[in-house]
Amino acid sequence: AQSVTQLDSHVSVSEGTPVLLRCNYSSSYSPSLFWYVQHPNKGLQLLLKYTSAATLVKGINGFEAEFKKSETSFHLTKPSAHMSDAAEYFCVVSSQEISGGGADGLTFGKGTHLIIQP
Amino acid sequence: DAGVTQSPTHLIKTRGQQVTLRCSPKSGHDTVSWYQQALGQGPQFIFQYYEEEERQRGNFPDRFSGHQFPNYSSELNVNALLLGDSALYLCASVTSGRYTEAFFGQGTRLTVV
Repeated sequence: AQSVTQLDSHVSVSEGTPVLLRCNYSSSYSPSLFWYVQHPNKGLQLLLKYTSAATLVKGINGFEAEFKKSETSFHLTKPSAHMSDAAEYFCVVSSQEISGGGADGLTFGKGTHLIIQP
Repeated sequence: DAGVTQSPTHLIKTRGQQVTLRCSPKSGHDTVSWYQQALGQGPQFIFQYYEEEERQRGNFPDRFSGHQFPNYSSELNVNALLLGDSALYLCASVTSGRYTEAFFGQGTRLTVV
């Protein structure tokens, strides 16, 4: 079984200040972890992924996340927020167990709504 | 390269009716998963299809069924629609293998009235 908890439903920051979106996970197996972003009326876009390689993962648009096994966390950060970062962010976990034709279904957190103040 | 395409984009149905949603995976992908995203919630896994068979299923009733065709495209069928089935339905495609890097379509917005 696997689960994801996004600790904040809403985060508000000023443009140019750092962003921190928090995520804790639970997985019976060595997990793959992802952050996806969803802009209004758009599909989900992959920001970055962790798949048991480097624990500090760099993604698109200046985002990065650090996998901390001891804390079962995978927090998303960005040094300087931009207005275009306003969106819904989802932390996602998938077990690495091979099953069927591919990996298991993804388990999503409930999302964090990121608001950027001008 | 076309990504994941879904049709239709919007749909309105009446309670008790049946609906079929369609998905074409990204080129080179052979596995399709379906997700339901209720308003204000994260997507929830419905099921996954590979080699034209359902391989994994989430916690959804049998009213939700699917199909995968030889060209890897897929359909999601929902029978006896309930008001609670109103949601954004997302299709994701991956290449079968150890790691998941799912590409998502823009979704079908289903409204049940």
